[in-house]
Amino acid sequence: KAGVTQTPRYLIKTRGQQVTLSCSPISGHRSVSWYQQTPGQGLQFLFEYFSETQRNKGNFPGRFSGRQFSNSRSEMNVSTLELGDSALYLCASSVAARADTQYFGPGTRLTVL
Amino acid sequence: AQTVTQSQPEMSVQEAETVTLSCTYDTSESDYYLFWYKQPPSRQMILVIRQEAYKQQNATENRFSVNFQKAAKSFSLKISDSQLGDAAMYFCALMDSNYQLIWGAGTKLIIKP
Repeated sequence: KAGVTQTPRYLIKTRGQQVTLSCSPISGHRSVSWYQQTPGQGLQFLFEYFSETQRNKGNFPGRFSGRQFSNSRSEMNVSTLELGDSALYLCASSVAARADTQYFGPGTRLTVL
Repeated sequence: AQTVTQSQPEMSVQEAETVTLSCTYDTSESDYYLFWYKQPPSRQMILVIRQEAYKQQNATENRFSVNFQKAAKSFSLKISDSQLGDAAMYFCALMDSNYQLIWGAGTKLIIKP
């Protein structure tokens, strides 16, 4: 099976712009989670989707949003970018349940100038 | 609030020797899951091993094993016969009832040839 794929791998944006990141889960996986990784804050949970519904959301401002499509692919959007949004954004997929292991994609490195 | 603590920012070990990485956690839930992930310089987060809290038996995966002490809320990772390819950041994580992984700060493992 192909692993989790994320596009693009690298992005450079300027403050105030918006960005959309994409994640394709492993075939058969219906849950997609997003995490932000920064040197200062470490790994932080953004949100989790299952069957096109957001099941949980982390403590991030409303500028961070996401969605999941019927084929389980997911996108996350960050509007009005700030310098502090520079981070590695990781997507993970799992079959469905909380007990299932999450498998990660290679990440998207976002740099905000 | 649930927390995961890794008290060793960096560890080093001679190739072929054994090293133990520490992790403690705090949760009020009785049903949870614990994971060790590694993140090499390539940044891809890779599952090393997982442990179900309801299982008393410690999980093992080839050269990797855990020492799960539920009462002490401790979940350490032992790597036997360390190899150069084991060099990476190692993260301990707790899956809570909200489908999110709560992460430790990570331990950088250095393998000396």
